[in-house]
Amino acid sequence: AQSVTQLGSHVSVSEGALVLLRCNYSSSVPPYLFWYVQYPNQGLQLLLKYTTGATLVKGINGFEAEFKKSETSFHLTKPSAHMSDAAEYFCAVSYSGGSNYKLTFGKGTLLTVNP
Amino acid sequence: EAGVVQSPRYKIIEKKQPVAFWCNPISGHNTLYWYLQNLGQGPELLIRYENEEAVDDSQLPKDRFSAERLKGVDSTLKIQPAELGDSAVYLCASSSNNNEQFFGPGTRLTVL
Repeated sequence: AQSVTQLGSHVSVSEGALVLLRCNYSSSVPPYLFWYVQYPNQGLQLLLKYTTGATLVKGINGFEAEFKKSETSFHLTKPSAHMSDAAEYFCAVSYSGGSNYKLTFGKGTLLTVNP
Repeated sequence: EAGVVQSPRYKIIEKKQPVAFWCNPISGHNTLYWYLQNLGQGPELLIRYENEEAVDDSQLPKDRFSAERLKGVDSTLKIQPAELGDSAVYLCASSSNNNEQFFGPGTRLTVL
């Protein structure tokens, strides 16, 4: 069965510092990988996704993630944190190449940004 | 373009009472999903619809949960009777053939 592990339920950084949120997946087949962000009392918003092709994926709000097959990882980074980045972040995996898919989510990482 | 709409946003009920959640997907999205999100956890799929058909309901506790998507647009998720452990956020999402799922704001259910 597919699974996603997010290391660190809570990450705290200073404004302007590097953001690194970790995600590892278990898979016997090539996965599709996603990062979602959830602001308080809101639904999830897609930050970026990897399906095929270039392993470094750029998303919205300055975030990017790199798919490393050898490490089964898809860590999310941002060079300089902004106060507005404070939210919960979810990594998700899917294996469907069809028109719709089933997402399996990690438990999430709460990012706080200190002034 | 309007996003996924859910109502109510918050609901407080006593255990053993019934409750229903409503979802209006993005116009033209043929696929609709209901997810359960427990506190401190990621969303878990309850049921997925392709138009009117429930194509994946393997995670839906059918003894107390039911769902419908009449006419392949709006959907309703019902719990009867509710239990204390059902307290959670219920998320609805929709997608079209481009694969991305768009999520609504969710309904936060509290069972007392």
